[in-house]
Amino acid sequence: AQKVTQAQTEISVVEKEDVTLDCVYETRDTTYYLFWYKQPPSGELVFLIRRNSFDEQNEISGRYSWNFQKSTSSFNFTITASQVVDSAVYFCALSAPEDSSYKLIFGSGTRLLVRP
Amino acid sequence: DGGITQSPKYLFRKEGQNVTLSCEQNLNHDAMYWYRQDPGQGLRLIYYSQIVNDFQKGDIAEGYSVSREKKESFPLTVTSAQKNPTAFYLCASSMWVGQSLEQYFGPGTRLTVT
Repeated sequence: AQKVTQAQTEISVVEKEDVTLDCVYETRDTTYYLFWYKQPPSGELVFLIRRNSFDEQNEISGRYSWNFQKSTSSFNFTITASQVVDSAVYFCALSAPEDSSYKLIFGSGTRLLVRP
Repeated sequence: DGGITQSPKYLFRKEGQNVTLSCEQNLNHDAMYWYRQDPGQGLRLIYYSQIVNDFQKGDIAEGYSVSREKKESFPLTVTSAQKNPTAFYLCASSMWVGQSLEQYFGPGTRLTVT
């Protein structure tokens, strides 16, 4: 069975603070893909990152960084020096060939509120 | 511009009526998906299609139907059998690029049934 858990329902920080959003996944497949999406109030899903299971290098993109650890089945997302525009719901997702569909399995999301 | 379009953005219907949500993509993607999102929750898969003229049920297919007559189009019909149709509906498509899976989402349709 495949599952994604985002234990943090809501996080509130003050602007310029660093914040880490946790994501833990479960899959029996050895090849899989992990994603992070941002959903602002307008509703569309904005793609942030895709990570393949065979690439464990961490990634940094501006103020965003991702820590992928297969040993703990985690794919955490850190925003450095948060800004009010970072306020949104963030989803972690998993895609694996459990039934050859590669459909996305989403976590329940973490709502991030960045206060000025 | 390449992308996924969903129309309309907002849709209102009376209970008991069927309604069809449009999803079109010009990305030449083979696979397309429909997800449902309820307030404060993640997305759940309704139906997906990996190739024209073929589609499979997702986790919450009851009360919904789809068709995939063209590669570009994957309309979703919300039937009167769907007990709680009010939700935000997102369409997605994906394809392989080398060893990577590219996934894209449309802007969504917010359906309200009263």
